[in-house]
Amino acid sequence: GNSVTQMEGPVTLSEEAFLTINCTYTATGYPSLFWYVQYPGEGLQLLLKATKADDKGSNKGFEATYRKETTSFHLEKGSVQVSDSAVYFCALSGSYSSASKIIFGSGTRLSIRP
Amino acid sequence: GAGVSQSPRYKVAKRGQDVALRCDPISGHVSLFWYQQALGQGPEFLTYFQNEAQLDKSGLPSDRFFAERPEGSVSTLKIQRTQQEDSAVYLCASSLVSSGSPDTQYFGPGTRLTVL
Repeated sequence: GNSVTQMEGPVTLSEEAFLTINCTYTATGYPSLFWYVQYPGEGLQLLLKATKADDKGSNKGFEATYRKETTSFHLEKGSVQVSDSAVYFCALSGSYSSASKIIFGSGTRLSIRP
Repeated sequence: GAGVSQSPRYKVAKRGQDVALRCDPISGHVSLFWYQQALGQGPEFLTYFQNEAQLDKSGLPSDRFFAERPEGSVSTLKIQRTQQEDSAVYLCASSLVSSGSPDTQYFGPGTRLTVL
């Protein structure tokens, strides 16, 4: 079945460091891929998404590119801030339906030191 | 505009009690999803409604779990005879179904259930 595997945390970086959180997936067909973020004390928010191969999703300085050949969707940011401290979830949803369940990875906790 | 709301935000139940968790989706959203998030884990799918029809309940862990959306808007997740392993955050999400690619789901703040 469909699944998502993401880098285990916690990840601790200094402010302005480069961030990569790895994510790979297993799926049949052509799923859509997502990164969700959960800030302390808040609900899940969609950070970015990509719906087909080679698409790049971007938001708030974060980027991820849908790589079908490597079944990956790694999250990157060039210069992290303390306010980026949160838990990040890689996720996918099904290929052929227009509204389908999301399958999440286990999450990566990111802490940024000032 | 208002987002997805859930109530109560926190619920403590004694083992064996029944609980009911409510979700108010974004107005006009056709699709509604329930997820269960255990501590330190990603959310896991429980069930999905399109309007009032429950189209997928494959994620419900046992027959103690029951969900309904009788008028195609508000939804209730009911857990009968709660067990300690039911302790988790229960998330509701809604989406405006489109005819194209999978639609963005908007999540509520969740209900944290603790079973003692």
